[in-house]
Amino acid sequence: AQKVTQAQTEISVVEKEDVTLDCVYETRDTTYYLFWYKQPPSGELVFLIRRNSFDEQNEISGRYSWNFQKSTSSFNFTITASQVVDSAVYFCALSEAAFGNEKLTFGTGTRLTIIP
Amino acid sequence: DAGITQSPRHKVTETGTPVTLRCHQTENHRYMYWYRQDPGHGLRLIHYSYGVKDTDKGEVSDGYSVSRSKTEDFLLTLESATSSQTSVYFCAISESGSGNQPQHFGDGTRLSIL
Repeated sequence: AQKVTQAQTEISVVEKEDVTLDCVYETRDTTYYLFWYKQPPSGELVFLIRRNSFDEQNEISGRYSWNFQKSTSSFNFTITASQVVDSAVYFCALSEAAFGNEKLTFGTGTRLTIIP
Repeated sequence: DAGITQSPRHKVTETGTPVTLRCHQTENHRYMYWYRQDPGHGLRLIHYSYGVKDTDKGEVSDGYSVSRSKTEDFLLTLESATSSQTSVYFCAISESGSGNQPQHFGDGTRLSIL
């Protein structure tokens, strides 16, 4: 069975600091997809990134970057120079590619608070 | 924003009453999903649909049923609501299953069962 662990329940940092959110996953499949979603205080879920298991290149999008390491089954998310607008709950999720597994398995989320 | 509308956005009802939540999409996506979000659990899949009249159970399907008679609508029904079903319910849509495309979520329905 697939599983996603976000060990950090809550993180608080001062604005402009860098912060890394950890995500560790478990799967028996060799083909799978990993995701990050953001849930701001308004409550909606915003898709941030999708990564497939064959692509271990790190990705950078503005202040956001993602580090995917299959050797440690981790898909960590770093926010550089954090801003108050980054305050949200962040979810990591996993989907296995085999037909019949059309579901996302979510971690329990990390609540990030950016202190002005 | 993906064209997903959930209704109602908020509902308070009593134990034992039937409740139906509606998800409407304008994207013509094949896959639709219902999740519930509870503290300490993240989001958990209730049911999903991979086409009109084609549905399957998720990990927390007990006490829930779904129907999809049109591509654009996916209904979630609580036949006899219980307090344990108090939660925030999210609908999601995707062009394809298996994670090949991301799921996009509606704004959620906050349901309170008293």
